[in-house]
Amino acid sequence: KNEVEQSPQNLTAQEGEFITINCSYSVGISALHWLQQHPGGGIVSLFMLSSGKKKHGRLIATINIQEKHSSLHITASHPRDSAVYICAVRPVYNNNDMRFGAGTRLTVKP
Amino acid sequence: DGGITQSPKYLFRKEGQNVTLSCEQNLNHDAMYWYRQDPGQGLRLIYYSQIVNDFQKGDIAEGYSVSREKKESFPLTVTSAQKNPTAFYLCASSTQGAETQYFGPGTRLLVL
Repeated sequence: KNEVEQSPQNLTAQEGEFITINCSYSVGISALHWLQQHPGGGIVSLFMLSSGKKKHGRLIATINIQEKHSSLHITASHPRDSAVYICAVRPVYNNNDMRFGAGTRLTVKP
Repeated sequence: DGGITQSPKYLFRKEGQNVTLSCEQNLNHDAMYWYRQDPGQGLRLIYYSQIVNDFQKGDIAEGYSVSREKKESFPLTVTSAQKNPTAFYLCASSTQGAETQYFGPGTRLLVL
């Protein structure tokens, strides 16, 4: 079983819809990251969370440490949000390591 | 501009051939990483280096080798021992102890 599970694997939405992507993990962590991978393959970091909630523009990330769960929300989705969103955690058992989810492919249609 | 670069963007390997993927960063980061990405799977760590002239194996190091002779550079060699090399390879870097890694644009390796 993967240490990081994401759902859904694929998500198609209409422009303007509210999007939620979920991430569950099974190990103790020092931090959780949400990453965005565009069709060309490059990856950018969106958020790093260790507790609570963070907001950047139309993106909101939350984490519940007790439940080992995080969500990434996109409000007023736009076709340019189409990308693969990846959840990654840094386990407390190895501070040099990151464990990655398989990603959620989001397509936003105009 | 500061950043992390990888070359080439696409690389073709013949059977039995070793190929080397380049990764360079001018962010003055101490730590560098190589990941492999396969369809439907999360990124998996191949090797990482926290300091010049030192590197550690990740989860899937077999069939790969690295060197870290300079702080800016962390090349990855895919050897003939790697029987399934077709994948997307991503290099990343970070400051020591930092949580956030910065990723390069990736190299797609294909077998002829």
